[in-house]
Amino acid sequence: GAVVSQHPSRVICKSGTSVKIECRSLDFQATTMFWYRQFPKKSLMLMATSNEGSKATYEQGVEKDKFLINHASLTLSTLTVTSAHPEDSSFYICSARDVLAGDTDTQYFGPGTRLTVL
Amino acid sequence: GDSVTQMEGPVTLSEEACLTINCTYTATGYPSLFWYVQYPGEGLQLLLKATKADDKGSNKGFEATYRKETTSFHLEKGSVQVSDSAVYFCALSDQTGRRALTFGSGTRLQVQP
Repeated sequence: GAVVSQHPSRVICKSGTSVKIECRSLDFQATTMFWYRQFPKKSLMLMATSNEGSKATYEQGVEKDKFLINHASLTLSTLTVTSAHPEDSSFYICSARDVLAGDTDTQYFGPGTRLTVL
Repeated sequence: GDSVTQMEGPVTLSEEACLTINCTYTATGYPSLFWYVQYPGEGLQLLLKATKADDKGSNKGFEATYRKETTSFHLEKGSVQVSDSAVYFCALSDQTGRRALTFGSGTRLQVQP
């Protein structure tokens, strides 16, 4: 149980285009999902907290208009990188909590999406 | 703000050697503490957790004890295997309603046969 998927696993795009990444909780409901960014050989940096049915909460320094987050249902959150540039190239990871399981601490992570902007 | 510091890697060990990966934290309140593992080409997996002082988390032969007095959560294993080769992340969960995770920088473990 508690499986989180991401799609696509890898994407290459041209500079100036937009890319959408999906994060799904496959066997549980997630009122809250998190989006992280991982640089090579670095740790995960929290970008934003995605709340089902409401606006996302962004961390300081993360551009809201560049990284659009939508959490339209209890099993799906999307991250859209708008007008992508080479500096946006990174590994994007989502996670979710299974609040119905009564464990408010543990997050379950997706396998990540490797974005390369040419 | 909250922060997690863990030893830099890579850590290279021979099979059956003892492992310790140090982790210390700075946080307000009483966070929950975690170790996540990332195997090559895979996503992060929860390895173990502890939610209060003196709790010991354990899984797959790995252990870590929540030490409030030293603000530490060191990861230990008595006998590592080649299959334990991965990157290990120490993390804490904040005490706000959202329970966001703050991660350490990760420690790469390489176990040689």
